[in-house]
Amino acid sequence: NAGVMQNPRHLVRRRGQEARLRCSPMKGHSHVYWYRQLPEEGLKFMVYLQKENIIDESGMPKERFSAEFPKEGPSILRIQQVVRGDSAAYFCASSRQTSGYNEQFFGPGTRLTVL
Amino acid sequence: GQSLEQPSEVTAVEGAIVQINCTYQTSGFYGLSWYQQHDGGAPTFLSYNALDGLEETGRFSSFLSRSDSYGYLLLQELQMKDSASYFCAVSPRDDKIIFGKGTRLHILP
Repeated sequence: NAGVMQNPRHLVRRRGQEARLRCSPMKGHSHVYWYRQLPEEGLKFMVYLQKENIIDESGMPKERFSAEFPKEGPSILRIQQVVRGDSAAYFCASSRQTSGYNEQFFGPGTRLTVL
Repeated sequence: GQSLEQPSEVTAVEGAIVQINCTYQTSGFYGLSWYQQHDGGAPTFLSYNALDGLEETGRFSSFLSRSDSYGYLLLQELQMKDSASYFCAVSPRDDKIIFGKGTRLHILP
């Protein structure tokens, strides 16, 4: 059973370009979470999605950032017109849909560098 | 809102025991979890406490006191491979986790 997959693992963009980060959850998982991690910092919650629905986007910047989890295919985190401050590691996690606590399984992350 | 406090760094000796404390404030509470992250790696789940008391899993144990909004992670028989960052995380509801800033554990030989 493959784990959470993210690609690309490393992404370099120039200021003003767009960044697209992809996440395929574990088989059987219907919940996807995106986190951002700056060097020497914790994981900052960005957005929580289920298939075709954004459940909680309280951690997403209001501009330039968007996320989707279509019926078919991976979840996408999209950053438009990137700036240097967007440089960070972006982690995706997935979990099952059951009552009670659901352990989140993390992907390897995408390290975004904005030049 | 939610906030978590944990020490930024802890140093211990190989073979010893170390405790990493975590205090939290949250508007809703379902439980406290702990994750480990090695440099350059992904966070991995260690433990979860929904009820007061101690949960033991091998060399690692986690404790929760809901009345004190406090928990800790206890690592015994430390090994060099335990050098990593440890994050406490609070669940304000059952489908969300808010992470602390992490504690970097340094282990000396």
